[in-house]
Amino acid sequence: NAGVTQTPKFQVLKTGQSMTLQCAQDMNHEYMSWYRQDPGMGLRLIHYSVGAGITDQGEVPNGYNVSRSTTEDFPLRLLSAAPSQTSVYFCASSKRSMNTEAFFGQGTRLTVV
Amino acid sequence: EDKVVQSPLSLVVHEGDTVTLNCSYEVTNFRSLLWYKQEKKAPTFLFMLTSSGIEKKSGRLSSILDKKELFSILNITATQTGDSAVYLCAVDSNYQLIWGAGTKLIIKP
Repeated sequence: NAGVTQTPKFQVLKTGQSMTLQCAQDMNHEYMSWYRQDPGMGLRLIHYSVGAGITDQGEVPNGYNVSRSTTEDFPLRLLSAAPSQTSVYFCASSKRSMNTEAFFGQGTRLTVV
Repeated sequence: EDKVVQSPLSLVVHEGDTVTLNCSYEVTNFRSLLWYKQEKKAPTFLFMLTSSGIEKKSGRLSSILDKKELFSILNITATQTGDSAVYLCAVDSNYQLIWGAGTKLIIKP
């Protein structure tokens, strides 16, 4: 069972570069979300999606874009990377709503220099 | 502003000890409280609590919710070195999960 697959696992970007973090799930989950995790802080929601074609902003959306063209995929785009975006990023999915168990990808450690 | 506060931030105990981790919350529209364990990478689900006073149990781990006092506890009995991890608490409020900063638990042999 693949579950939630995130790529890449590690990435180093220069300030101003753009990139896309990939996230795919094979559990037919409706809900998908992106978080960032910084030392000493909890997971913070960047963007989320309640189904294909529907996305919404979370707590810290600035500098990030998402799209949800299929149920399976939920890529996160960094438009112009900044050092403040250095973090560990997690993608998560859940079956019906956030009121159920969320399954997480293995994370992407992003460093912006 | 919704917030979730976990305590202690870190805890070091010896194998065999019992530990209690705390999670308090203030949110606008409580739906559920979830506990996760995070070792080196992705958080893994432990419990979801929606009703006060009903204990959820899985092996040596148990958890209970108090919706009147707005907190939950996670108990781990007879701790083992494999229990070393960061334990995360999250509250579902308005269909968004609000996360605490976590409790880092270290079990010494």
